Amino acid sequence: EIVLTQSPATLSLSPGERATLSCRASQSVSIYLAWYQQKPGQAPRLLIYDASNRATGIPARFSGSGSGTDFTLTISSLEPEDFAVYYCQQRTNWPFTFGPGTKVDIK
Amino acid sequence: QITLKESGPTLVKPTQTLTLTCTFSGFSLSTTAVGVGWIRQPPGKALEWLALIYWDDDKRYSPSLKSRLTITKDTSKNQVVLTMTNMDPVDTGTYYCAQSSGTAMGNWGQGTLVTVSS
Repeated sequence: EIVLTQSPATLSLSPGERATLSCRASQSVSIYLAWYQQKPGQAPRLLIYDASNRATGIPARFSGSGSGTDFTLTISSLEPEDFAVYYCQQRTNWPFTFGPGTKVDIK
Repeated sequence: QITLKESGPTLVKPTQTLTLTCTFSGFSLSTTAVGVGWIRQPPGKALEWLALIYWDDDKRYSPSLKSRLTITKDTSKNQVVLTMTNMDPVDTGTYYCAQSSGTAMGNWGQGTLVTVSS
């Protein structure tokens, strides 16, 4: 099973700041990594698929990069609605594991 | 517009079998590369894959839960059903169904909270 590790566990930032979230895989997942955003009481929402492709309707301030074992989700300038938990997920090998999440909260 | 909705009991007793139904619209589970999966989330914890079924009836199960899970599809009814046997309080959480068109899980249901308690 591929293990995904996310860092940091919590990121405390102010609106307008840049957020950089990391996801590391225990073995190569090629580019087959996705990022999801989850707000309290809501289902996850797909942000990025295949490492760098924004899902439909996702603002341009969200961008993804990386390949192999190291991936980054960047939010260029945090909006109030961006404070949430972010999960990465791989689809290279079943089970398509999720990372433990990074919580982005307001500083 | 793609929508998915989970339905099933909100409370089950330990050792009972849980049956959840995902009813969807806006896509067909007979279309190449399409899959519907079940993911759960214990309160305050991370997401965990349970099972996934593809358009061609290929089925995948979480290795740690495989002996307890069965996933089936009814293409004519636009439904995917998950059964989980021998429920335990640690299985308490929100259960989501989600759809993939060959990449990531792009569409999710709202989730249904299942509590396991006597």
